[in-house]
Amino acid sequence: EAGVVQSPRYKIIEKKQPVAFWCNPISGHNTLYWYRQNLGQGPELLIRYENEEAVDDSQLPKDRFSAERLKGVDSTLKIQPAELGDSAVYLCASSLVETQYFGPGTRLLVL
Amino acid sequence: DQQVKQNSPSLSVQEGRISILNCDYTNSMFDYFLWYKKYPAEGPTFLISISSIKDKNEDGRFTVFLNKSAKHLSLHIVPSQPGDSAVYFCAACTQGGSEKLVFGKGMKLTVNP
Repeated sequence: EAGVVQSPRYKIIEKKQPVAFWCNPISGHNTLYWYRQNLGQGPELLIRYENEEAVDDSQLPKDRFSAERLKGVDSTLKIQPAELGDSAVYLCASSLVETQYFGPGTRLLVL
Repeated sequence: DQQVKQNSPSLSVQEGRISILNCDYTNSMFDYFLWYKKYPAEGPTFLISISSIKDKNEDGRFTVFLNKSAKHLSLHIVPSQPGDSAVYFCAACTQGGSEKLVFGKGMKLTVNP
């Protein structure tokens, strides 16, 4: 069974540029999560989807971050414009019932 | 305020010995706890979990113990193997796992041959 797929794996951009990350969850998993992991920290939730509905986006910085999961399958997370402090690993996870399974993440570096 | 704490940043053990990783939490609403293992440049990999209705869950070499009164859980790995060397994250959530996970900062385990 294929795991959570994320792309790109690495991204380097200059500040004020836009960037987008893509995630394809495990087949059949209705719940999709985006987390951000800063260096030396554990992942922190940005947004959670149940099918195509964002049910928890309280931690998403809405002035510059947006996300969508139009057909309830894959999802895109966008930052516009990026700031230096956005440098982190962006992790996507999915779950069917209890356990969340993570993708490899996208490592973003903002210069 | 850290709701999930892994107070030891690192642990080094000899191959074949027991590794004990500790985790404390402050939110009494947490009812589901998980351990993830993370290798460099990879995402966290699910290892083992425990519901608050249990005090022990075992899977092969891995056992998780939960002490709800102390708000403490621990992961035991026995025997430890060099391939177990990784960063281990403790995570907790409410409502059985579908809600957001709250992670500790992680602990780096090194198993020496």
